[in-house]
Amino acid sequence: EPEVTQTPSHQVTQMGQEVILRCVPISNHLYFYWYRQILGQKVEFLVSFYNNEISEKSEIFDDQFSVERPDGSNFTLKIRSTKLEDSAMYFCAGTQSTGEKLFFGSGTQLSVL
Amino acid sequence: AQTVTQSQPEMSVQEAETVTLSCTYDTSENNYYLFWYKQPPSRQMILVIRQEAYKQQNATENRFSVNFQKAAKSFSLKISDSQLGDTAMYFCARRSGNTGKLIFGQGTTLQVKP
Repeated sequence: EPEVTQTPSHQVTQMGQEVILRCVPISNHLYFYWYRQILGQKVEFLVSFYNNEISEKSEIFDDQFSVERPDGSNFTLKIRSTKLEDSAMYFCAGTQSTGEKLFFGSGTQLSVL
Repeated sequence: AQTVTQSQPEMSVQEAETVTLSCTYDTSENNYYLFWYKQPPSRQMILVIRQEAYKQQNATENRFSVNFQKAAKSFSLKISDSQLGDTAMYFCARRSGNTGKLIFGQGTTLQVKP
């Protein structure tokens, strides 16, 4: 089965630094998402992306966050100035249509020190 | 609020026995999709089963089945013949709106005991 690939698997950064989390979705997917999960808590929606633009974002996804898919393959999440509370597992996901299952990547564990 | 609620933070079951995980949700939509995802210690999100709200028949996937009660907005997961590899956190989720985002419940940690 095709896979969603996320890199790096673990990222450590200092508070205030910029980080970019990378995802390579499955090639025929059209809808893309970022979710995050603070350890021991539920998985929270951050943003959805379709037709090269944001289609929906949550309250968590403030001005410090941005997404892009510049080359039609990589799908990135950027956090401009990281805070301690940004420490979490970040999942990329994708799907062909909004009724089908979401394929999740294996996640990037972000640790902000 | 469009929420998904899992009222059982933790559950345990003996190997080979059956266990049911509960989930309720709130929605104003008529057509939507419901999912159960499994998250083992590796933290990978693995789809267990999917239900389309307009289908009355309960979805089944090998040892996993659901009891979907649309009027009650209930979507429980039954795991038959539990195996040690079923030990994981299980999340119920509802697909929302045109963007297809998932709204997750708080999760139920299931431990299968030998």
